[in-house]
Amino acid sequence: AQKVTQAQTEISVVEKEDVTLDCVYETRDTTYYLFWYKQPPSGELVFLIRRNSFDEQNEISGRYSWNFQKSTSSFNFTITASQVVDSAVYFCALSVFDSGYALNFGKGTSLLVTP
Amino acid sequence: DGGITQSPKYLFRKEGQNVTLSCEQNLNHDAMYWYRQDPGQGLRLIYYSQIVNDFQKGDIAEGYSVSREKKESFPLTVTSAQKNPTAFYLCASSIGGQGVSYEQYFGPGTRLTVT
Repeated sequence: AQKVTQAQTEISVVEKEDVTLDCVYETRDTTYYLFWYKQPPSGELVFLIRRNSFDEQNEISGRYSWNFQKSTSSFNFTITASQVVDSAVYFCALSVFDSGYALNFGKGTSLLVTP
Repeated sequence: DGGITQSPKYLFRKEGQNVTLSCEQNLNHDAMYWYRQDPGQGLRLIYYSQIVNDFQKGDIAEGYSVSREKKESFPLTVTSAQKNPTAFYLCASSIGGQGVSYEQYFGPGTRLTVT
């Protein structure tokens, strides 16, 4: 069975602070995929990143960066110099072949960035 | 514009009535998915389909039914057997197949309220 844990339910930061959202996953599959999605107040999920289990390279995209560590089964997401527009719920998700690559989501972390 | 449409955005029904939620995509994606989101929860998989005329139950399929008669359409029926149908329903699609998990693109969602 697959499981994704996002232990941080809510995080509040002041604009320009850096913030890291944690994601820990469990799976017995050797091939799997990890994702991060953003859900703004409008409700629609926005895709941020996809990683497969064989690619442990960290990735940076503008103010966003992701740290994938198989040794600790973690796939953490850092926002540098946060902005008010980053306020949203962020979901980490896992997919494997046996479930048709459906996404198994964590419960999400609600990020509030205040001016 | 390519994308996924869900209609309506808000839906109200009386208890005991079946209701069908629409999901259409023009992305030429093979795979389609239905998720349910409850307040403070992550998304949970209801049904998925990797190809026309074929679909699989997800983690919480009881009380729901789907059909996949056309590649671009994947309607979800919430039956009267679903004990707690009030929720936010999200449809998604992805390229699918080829033994690889691709990112899923989500529709704007339908917020169903049953009283």
